[in-house]
Amino acid sequence: ETGVTQSPTHLIKTRGQQVTLRCSSQSGHNTVSWYQQALGQGPQFIFQYYREEENGRGNFPPRFSGLQFPNYSSELNVNALELDDSALYLCASSTTGSEQYFGPGTRLTVT
Amino acid sequence: TQLLEQSPQFLSIQEGENLTVYCNSSSVFSSLQWYRQEPGEGPVLLVTVVTGGEVKKLKRLTFQFGDARKDSSLHITAAQPGDTGLYLCAGGPSGAGSYQLTFGKGTKLSVIP
Repeated sequence: ETGVTQSPTHLIKTRGQQVTLRCSSQSGHNTVSWYQQALGQGPQFIFQYYREEENGRGNFPPRFSGLQFPNYSSELNVNALELDDSALYLCASSTTGSEQYFGPGTRLTVT
Repeated sequence: TQLLEQSPQFLSIQEGENLTVYCNSSSVFSSLQWYRQEPGEGPVLLVTVVTGGEVKKLKRLTFQFGDARKDSSLHITAAQPGDTGLYLCAGGPSGAGSYQLTFGKGTKLSVIP
């Protein structure tokens, strides 16, 4: 059974640029959630996708957007990057209503 | 807005000691998960508790969910250096909707050999 994978591992971007992060869900899981974890904080919920539709969103601006594909993999897109967007971005997969399993994360640094 | 408060924020103990960390909220959660996270990695699920008053044991770790499903504790017996890490509690939603998790800020545990 393959676990949740994320790419890239690390990324450095400049303020104002756009970034796309990718996540492959665990085999058999149809739901993907994205979280942002700033240094010294717990993860904060960004949004969740179920069957290619957004299924809930946290307190993040519209420049954070996402996609889920038919194979249940997912992308997180962030436009107009700000310095405060520097964080560990975590993807978690699950089946409906079940426990969430996290990937290793993508460390984004905005300079 | 549902909030989870974890205490203590930092804990440094000697190998072999016992410890308890707490996770408290004013909100009711349908379930509560405990995760451990190593630096630069994603959280790893340790346990899920769903019933008020439930107690689960995982080797030297004992997890308890409060009767009112608003709080939880994690007790570690005879801590070992391998227990070092960030312990996060996360609550599931109390109503219908997306199954987002609300996380606490975590307890950073250091076990000194």
